[in-house]
Amino acid sequence: AQSVTQLGSHVSVSEGALVLLRCNYSSSVPPYLFWYVQYPNQGLQLLLKYTTGATLVKGINGFEAEFKKSETSFHLTKPSAHMSDAAEYFCAVGTGTASKLTFGTGTRLQVTL
Amino acid sequence: ETGVTQTPRHLVMGMTNKKSLKCEQHLGHNAMYWYKQSAKKPLELMFVYSLEERVENNSVPSRFSPECPNSSHLFLHLHTLQPEDSALYLCASSQLAGSGGETQYFGPGTRLLVL
Repeated sequence: AQSVTQLGSHVSVSEGALVLLRCNYSSSVPPYLFWYVQYPNQGLQLLLKYTTGATLVKGINGFEAEFKKSETSFHLTKPSAHMSDAAEYFCAVGTGTASKLTFGTGTRLQVTL
Repeated sequence: ETGVTQTPRHLVMGMTNKKSLKCEQHLGHNAMYWYKQSAKKPLELMFVYSLEERVENNSVPSRFSPECPNSSHLFLHLHTLQPEDSALYLCASSQLAGSGGETQYFGPGTRLLVL
């Protein structure tokens, strides 16, 4: 069985500040880890994913995440928030070959002036 | 059209109605998915089709009936729904290559309201 915990359903940062969205996972086998973003009235868009290899993964729009096996974490960061980053962010874990994903409950990011 | 499209984008139906949601993917993928997204709950995987065969059915009530006539189209037939079925229904597709970790590409969703 696999599960995902996203700490903080709402995060608010000032424009230009560091963005840190937390994700911890539980998996009995080596996981595949994903971050998706959802803008209002839209579907989910892939930001980045970890499968194998380098543990620091860079994604679109300046986001990156680091896979830390010892901490079972995959936190999402961005050095400088922009107003356009305001959205809901979902962490997901997948295992096996059937691409079955388990999602967290999401974190809504608010960016203020 | 590119990516994954869904129609209609919004749907209001009574509890005795029958309606269908449509999803079409233009990515040449071999797997398609239906998810339910309710407020303050994680996305729930409802159905998975791989090579047009249903490979997953996560204990979804029978009032939801999926259909995958070919690798590009996926339907969700709805009948005698309940108000708690009101949600955003998302379709996704991926190219399963056997190695795992394949990316799922999502459509914009159908916002369903059951009265």
